[in-house]
Amino acid sequence: GAVVSQHPSRVICKSGTSVKIECRSLDFQATTMFWYRQFPKKSLMLMATSNEGSKATYEQGVEKDKFLINHASLTLSTLTVTSAHPEDSSFYICSARDMGDYRGLYEQYFGPGTRLTVT
Amino acid sequence: SQQGEEDPQALSIQEGENATMNCSYKTSINNLQWYRQNSGRGLVHLILIRSNEREKHSGRLRVTLDTSKKSSSLLITASRAADTASYFCATNQGGSEKLVFGKGTKLTVNP
Repeated sequence: GAVVSQHPSRVICKSGTSVKIECRSLDFQATTMFWYRQFPKKSLMLMATSNEGSKATYEQGVEKDKFLINHASLTLSTLTVTSAHPEDSSFYICSARDMGDYRGLYEQYFGPGTRLTVT
Repeated sequence: SQQGEEDPQALSIQEGENATMNCSYKTSINNLQWYRQNSGRGLVHLILIRSNEREKHSGRLRVTLDTSKKSSSLLITASRAADTASYFCATNQGGSEKLVFGKGTKLTVNP
């Protein structure tokens, strides 16, 4: 149980184009999903908190117009990198909280990540 | 702010040896979690320890938490080559559901 998928796993796009990454909770519902970015050999940096049915909450320094987040259902959140540039190349990871988890442990389940390369 | 600083940053040991990684944090927490990440892959949740717990075991993993020192350690006993990965600690600060990750320890277990 508690499986999170991401699609695509790898994507190469040209500078100036937009790329959409999907994050799905496969066997549970998630009112909250999180998007992280990871640079090579570095830790995860939280970009934004995606809330089902409402606007995402972005961390300081993350451009909301650059990284569009949509959480249209309880099992799907999407991250769209708009007008991508080479510096947007990175590993993007999503996670989700099970809304049925009442233990109050804030446990997050992570997707396998998406490697974005902008040429 | 970044907290959850792991040390060492890199650790190389022989198969069969124990590996100990440490994590420090700065603010009060609800719980502390350890994750594993193989190169270029997603995170795998290893173990969660609540703020009112001092020690927890799961298979070959042993985690301790010292809230007075704001530190935690992850011990992997009888390491295997397959344990080679990066290990991260992560904390929930106060009542926030956001996770703050440390910089990680890259563990290499040589066969």
